[in-house]
Amino acid sequence: DIQMTQSPSTLSASVGDRVTITCRASQSIGSWLAWYQQKPGKAPNLLIYKASSLETGVPSRFSGSGSGTQFTLTISSLQPDDFATYYCQQYNSPPYSFGQGTKLEIK
Amino acid sequence: QVQLVQSGAEVKKPGSSVKVSCKASGGTFTSFAISWVRQAPGQGLEWMGGIIPVFGTADYAQKFQGRVTISADESTSTAYMELSSLRSVDTAVYYCGAGGFWSVRDYYRYYVDVWGKGTTVTVSS
Repeated sequence: DIQMTQSPSTLSASVGDRVTITCRASQSIGSWLAWYQQKPGKAPNLLIYKASSLETGVPSRFSGSGSGTQFTLTISSLQPDDFATYYCQQYNSPPYSFGQGTKLEIK
Repeated sequence: QVQLVQSGAEVKKPGSSVKVSCKASGGTFTSFAISWVRQAPGQGLEWMGGIIPVFGTADYAQKFQGRVTISADESTSTAYMELSSLRSVDTAVYYCGAGGFWSVRDYYRYYVDVWGKGTTVTVSS
């Protein structure tokens, strides 16, 4: 099975900051990676699919990059609504595992 | 845009089973893959398995093999996840999700672009 590891586990930042979250796969997954945002008590929300494709309706301050085993999610200028937990998920081959999550907190 | 409506919260005894439903509307059920993901209190997302209703075959995470059954009824556009031999660690919110799928040799790739609101399952004696 493919293991997904995110870093950092927690990230403290301020409104307006540029932040980057990293996701590493235990083996190559091509570009078959999705990023989700989740707020407390809510279902996840798809941000990025196929490593770098922005889901319709997602603000352009979110971007994804990477291929193979190393991926990043970047938020170019943090907004108050962005403080949440972020998860990566590989869908290269089942089981379609998630990273452990990165909690983005207000500094 | 497809919407997913999940069944209501459940309280179960250890050793029993639970069956959660996920009804799709506003889209073509046979064009989706349905995933089941759970989240224990204060924990991350855990992929349990998925199904492509038009083909009927399901994938399962090895952790749940033998305890989980994922099925789908095209006639009612409803997917189901049944988990047996429940224990307290199965207490979690169970989400279904829908998305497109792509054929890859002997399996299918899929992720979730639409989520249900989740079903809370509490396992307690």
